[in-house]
Amino acid sequence: GAGVSQSPRYKVTKRGQDVALRCDPISGHVSLYWYRQALGQGPEFLTYFNYEAQQDKSGLPNDRFSAERPEGSISTLTIQRTEQRDSAMYRCASSLVAGGPTGELFFGEGSRLTVL
Amino acid sequence: ILNVEQSPQSLHVQEGDSTNFTCSFPSSNFYALHWYRWETAKSPEALFVMTLNGDEKKKGRISATLNTKEGYSYLYIKGSQPEDSATYLCAFKYAAGNKLTFGGGTRVLVKP
Repeated sequence: GAGVSQSPRYKVTKRGQDVALRCDPISGHVSLYWYRQALGQGPEFLTYFNYEAQQDKSGLPNDRFSAERPEGSISTLTIQRTEQRDSAMYRCASSLVAGGPTGELFFGEGSRLTVL
Repeated sequence: ILNVEQSPQSLHVQEGDSTNFTCSFPSSNFYALHWYRWETAKSPEALFVMTLNGDEKKKGRISATLNTKEGYSYLYIKGSQPEDSATYLCAFKYAAGNKLTFGGGTRVLVKP
């Protein structure tokens, strides 16, 4: 596609439910990042992939959070047993290159998660 | 833990005035410094990617400088216009292939 696509754009769920957020990066982009962004704050790193390999998951808050990118393209961020504190904007970004200094990120429009 | 600090957190600028603000980052193992512009209800968009000490980049009325030895970058807006109102984010990468860590942003409001 022309840009990074995320779905759903808005998700309201009840506490304890599992949610899956999807990211479809720009075609051919090697790196894919997941960030979480609270209102008025900068993006907080969660995890990133080069191709299908998860390179760094140090930002995932706890073991309820997981991410995968099985074929090196579409990625899914899964949050199990959601809690109210998980409510946030979840942003995906992709980059053409892996590891280079000039790999600017192209962001999706985000998935707004609200946990009741 | 990487600390990427931006200051001030917010600033109000009169239309036509120039302004600047700072991004501070660890000076050791520097690899790249990115600047992004983020308008409310939109996605962040890349402005500059800077890699060399002393780098200066310019896009229209917006420019940036980089000092990797002391660990800071300045973003300048010359002759601010209302459409410059946005949050400006910097992001730091300290090694090849490593994650991009963002600062908290500087929110700029240009008043007509």
